[in-house]
Amino acid sequence: EIVLTQSPDTLSLSPGERATLSCRASQSLSSNYLAWYQQKPGQAPRLLIFGPSNRATGIPDRFSGSGSGTDFALTISRLEPEDFAVYYCQQYGTSPLTFGGGTKVEVK
Amino acid sequence: QVQLVQSGAEVKKPGASVKVSCKASGYTFSTYFIHWVRQAPGQGLEWMGIINPSGGSTDYAQKFQGRVTMTRDKSTSTVYMELSSLRSEDTAVYYCARDLGLSWLVRGWFDPWGQGTLVTVSS
Repeated sequence: EIVLTQSPDTLSLSPGERATLSCRASQSLSSNYLAWYQQKPGQAPRLLIFGPSNRATGIPDRFSGSGSGTDFALTISRLEPEDFAVYYCQQYGTSPLTFGGGTKVEVK
Repeated sequence: QVQLVQSGAEVKKPGASVKVSCKASGYTFSTYFIHWVRQAPGQGLEWMGIINPSGGSTDYAQKFQGRVTMTRDKSTSTVYMELSSLRSEDTAVYYCARDLGLSWLVRGWFDPWGQGTLVTVSS
């Protein structure tokens, strides 16, 4: 099973600041099959990024994904109030599909 | 629009079974696989398995083998996830999600997700 380790656990930032979230895989991901999701309290996760740098439909361009092999990142260029949430990475190239433990982006 | 609507919250006793439904609309039901994912209170996301609505084939995470059964009803565009021998650790929100991958062997990212179904296991 591929283990995904996200860091940091919590990121404390102010609106307008840049956020960089990390996701590291225990082995190289086939075809860089990695996605990012945003989850707000009481809501289902929402797809942000797949493949690992393609934005999903309707996702603002302040969200960007990068990386390859075992190291991936989600960057939010300028935090908006609605971006404070928990973010999960997911690998979907190898069964069982697995998720990272999540990074919480909170208001400083 | 593409939508997955799940059944309502359930409260079950230890040892019982629960069956959660996920009704798809806005797209051709048989064309996309459906995953089930759960999230215990305050915890992360855990993949449970996948079903092919076309032929009904399934693939379950090893952790749930023998306890989970995923089925579908093509006439109502609904998939079901049944979990048996419930214990307190199964208390969680259960989500269905549509797969956007290339094939059964090359699974994809999830979009959209259902709204979630809270299953509480308590004596």
